Amino acid sequence: EDKVVQSPLSLVVHEGDTVTLNCSYEVTNFRSLLWYKQEKKAPTFLFMLTSSGIEKKSGRLSSILDKKELSSILNITATQTGDSAIYLCAVINAGNMLTFGGGTRLMVKP
Amino acid sequence: DAGITQSPRHKVTETGTPVTLRCHQTENHRYMYWYRQDPGHGLRLIHYSYGVKDTDKGEVSDGYSVSRSKTEDFLLTLESATSSQTSVYFCAISESMVLAGGPNEQFFGPGTRLTVL
Repeated sequence: EDKVVQSPLSLVVHEGDTVTLNCSYEVTNFRSLLWYKQEKKAPTFLFMLTSSGIEKKSGRLSSILDKKELSSILNITATQTGDSAIYLCAVINAGNMLTFGGGTRLMVKP
Repeated sequence: DAGITQSPRHKVTETGTPVTLRCHQTENHRYMYWYRQDPGHGLRLIHYSYGVKDTDKGEVSDGYSVSRSKTEDFLLTLESATSSQTSVYFCAISESMVLAGGPNEQFFGPGTRLTVL
């Protein structure tokens, strides 16, 4: 059974801090890894990572995949209160099954 | 925001009753998905569809059935609801097959909170 573990479970920082969220996985025939941000209700897509070592960047957010370590990190620099959310990591295997981690709850205080 | 709605948004029902949740999209995306989200489990895929009348099972499909008679609508049915199906249900859509590592985003609906007493 595929498994995705995110750490930390929750995190409280102050505006301006930089945070690093972790995602590790055990997947049969890994295909891709996805990051989502979930505020209030519905998750919104952030990144899809397929190749190891290639950083994807969107504004203050960036993410990189390490297939050797079976992990990915999501970095957020100069955090803002609007970054407060649950961040979800998910992996897709070659059998087209999608497995989500339990999420990291980030709270950014003013 | 992608044009994706779910109905009802909240529902309380009793064990043993049938329940149908509806997902409606105005984006003409080919792929649609149903997830459930529970504390400690994250999001889990129930069923997905890759076209009209084309569906397949996800990770937690037992106790659920789906139908897609039109591109824009994807229905999730609990034939006989159980308390273990109390959850928040999310529908998602994508232009390409996210499950196959396709490059396109997956857009989520607002969710339906279902309580089975």
